[in-house]
Amino acid sequence: DSGVTQTPKHLITATGQRVTLRCSPRSGDLSVYWYQQSLDQGLQFLIQYYNGEERAKGNILERFSAQQFPDLHSELNLSSLELGDSALYFCASTTGQGLPSSYNEQFFGPGTRLTVL
Amino acid sequence: GDSVTQMEGPVTLSEEAFLTINCTYTATGYPSLFWYVQYPGEGLQLLLKATKADDKGSNKGFEATYRKETTSFHLEKGSVQVSDSAVYFCALSRSVTGRRALTFGSGTRLQVQP
Repeated sequence: DSGVTQTPKHLITATGQRVTLRCSPRSGDLSVYWYQQSLDQGLQFLIQYYNGEERAKGNILERFSAQQFPDLHSELNLSSLELGDSALYFCASTTGQGLPSSYNEQFFGPGTRLTVL
Repeated sequence: GDSVTQMEGPVTLSEEAFLTINCTYTATGYPSLFWYVQYPGEGLQLLLKATKADDKGSNKGFEATYRKETTSFHLEKGSVQVSDSAVYFCALSRSVTGRRALTFGSGTRLQVQP
């Protein structure tokens, strides 16, 4: 158990709909990352938040957005869903205390499997 | 941009066989390198890491050495077990203006047969 929780575990919805995925980081971790794992794109970084503020963006579509709340949990919002959005969405957290090094271990949640029909 | 290339899978081995999964990377500067493992139905777990050239990461019998001259970080294990069956991801991370997101390879599925 990594200490990172994600809900729901599975989500089935239709094209055009909007969903919200939730992530609770490990206790004390300030940084949250969202990743998408799909068969054709592999594992790719979507977006990072640090202590409530957006820190970096990866290959995130404009239809997708995220936020991190004062209690440090994060939500990923996916709208106008398409078939190609079907994937596993992972959240990861790390202390992210602004250290210059880049080797802070990221702890991954179990993922949310999204199926768009 | 940064990229990681892994050998294609699946890799099928018999128990107690020697394992090598090749990984090479492209990145400027001095990235940190990682191997993550994903067991069926689970999230990713860090297997080992190396943060500078010639560092060797090791864990649970797995090893990988950071080779800057060949930009490689190959994963090895001397004797695999059925319980090692999983998908293995090579990844790198660079600190670029605070971003430390991981760049992953495509993953290599390992199947170990009794």
